[in-house]
Amino acid sequence: DIQMTQSPSSLSASVGDRVTFTCRASHNISKFLNWYRQKPGKAPDFLISAASNLQSGVPSRFTGSGSGADFSLTISSLQPEDFATYYCQQTYTTPQTFGPGTNLAI
Amino acid sequence: EVQLVESGGGLVKPGESLRLSCAASGFTFNDYYMNWVRQAPGKGLEWISCISSSGAYIYYADSIKGRFTISRDNAKNSLYLHLNSLTAEDTSVYYCAKGLRPHSSIYGMDVWGQGTAVTVSS
Repeated sequence: DIQMTQSPSSLSASVGDRVTFTCRASHNISKFLNWYRQKPGKAPDFLISAASNLQSGVPSRFTGSGSGADFSLTISSLQPEDFATYYCQQTYTTPQTFGPGTNLAI
Repeated sequence: EVQLVESGGGLVKPGESLRLSCAASGFTFNDYYMNWVRQAPGKGLEWISCISSSGAYIYYADSIKGRFTISRDNAKNSLYLHLNSLTAEDTSVYYCAKGLRPHSSIYGMDVWGQGTAVTVSS
């Protein structure tokens, strides 16, 4: 199985800050890496598909990049609704696997 | 409006079984792969299964293989997950989620239900 790691595991920031999270796969997964944001008690929101494709309705402050085994998610100017947990997920092969998440706190 | 609504969760004893359902609306159900993802209390997301648009291809996580069975009824726009031999480690919120693109599972999951909670306890 492909293992996913995320760093940092937690991060404190302020509204307006620029932040970057990283996600690493244990094997080459090409571009098949997705990002989700999950607010407490809610289902995840789908942010980015295939490493860099912003989903419809997702604000342009979110940017994904990377390929192979190393990926990143950048939020250019944090908004109050962005304080949540962020998960990466590889869909290159089954079983699909999620990273452990990065908790973004105020 | 594209919507997924799960049901069937509850409190069960170890070793018992349960069937979860996911009712889909607002999209052509039989064009999309469907997934189940679970989340234990205070933990991260765990993908557990997906099924192709026709039902011909099925995949499972190792953690539930042999105990859980995914199925779908395209005539009823419904997805199911049969959970057998439940243990405390299966206590989670179970989400159904739709694949982003028709007939593909590799581009992520764009629509999620609200989740249904399963608690396994004696």
